[in-house]
Amino acid sequence: TQLLEQSPQFLSIQEGENLTVYCNSSSVFSSLQWYRQEPGEGPVLLVTVVTGGEVKKLKRLTFQFGDARKDSSLHITAAQPGDTGLYLCAGAFGGSNYKLTFGKGTLLTVNP
Amino acid sequence: ETGVTQTPRHLVMGMTNKKSLKCEQHLGHNAMYWYKQSAKKPLELMFVYNFKEQTENNSVPSRFSPECPNSSHLFLHLHTLQPEDSALYLCASSQDTGNYGYTFGSGTRLTVV
Repeated sequence: TQLLEQSPQFLSIQEGENLTVYCNSSSVFSSLQWYRQEPGEGPVLLVTVVTGGEVKKLKRLTFQFGDARKDSSLHITAAQPGDTGLYLCAGAFGGSNYKLTFGKGTLLTVNP
Repeated sequence: ETGVTQTPRHLVMGMTNKKSLKCEQHLGHNAMYWYKQSAKKPLELMFVYNFKEQTENNSVPSRFSPECPNSSHLFLHLHTLQPEDSALYLCASSQDTGNYGYTFGSGTRLTVV
């Protein structure tokens, strides 16, 4: 069973600060995705990374995939209250392409 | 509106009741999924359907019974549930493999009393 470890589990910061959250596994991902989930809603896909070393940017969010494809990070610049939510990473492993394994998530609170 | 619609949004049921959760997508996706989300746990995959054929049953108790009459509709039939089954049940769909992301519904918040 592949496990994804996300850290930190909780993060509370002030508006305007920068932050980084991490997603790690002992197994190699065939692809990795980041989602954001708001209370009472389902997760919403932010990005998919496939190639080791890949960096993708989505406005103030920067996603990086590790060279060995076992880890990923999400960096948010100048966080805003609208960034508040549960950030989930999810990985596809090997031939199990229809099954995504999710981490427990990082619960981010951005205070005005 | 994400393209995946789940009903009902909230459900309270007794342990002897029978109820069904419904999921509908009109994104043209061929794969559909049921996930369970409990507090302090990762999302747990329950079932996978590809072109309306079940391809995965992740050791889910028989009190949960899925049904996929076509690629656009997915049901989860519930009977004799336990209080520990209380959770957010999420439906998702994808085009082909999950490699390029799922589209999730808003979920059904289930409480078993």
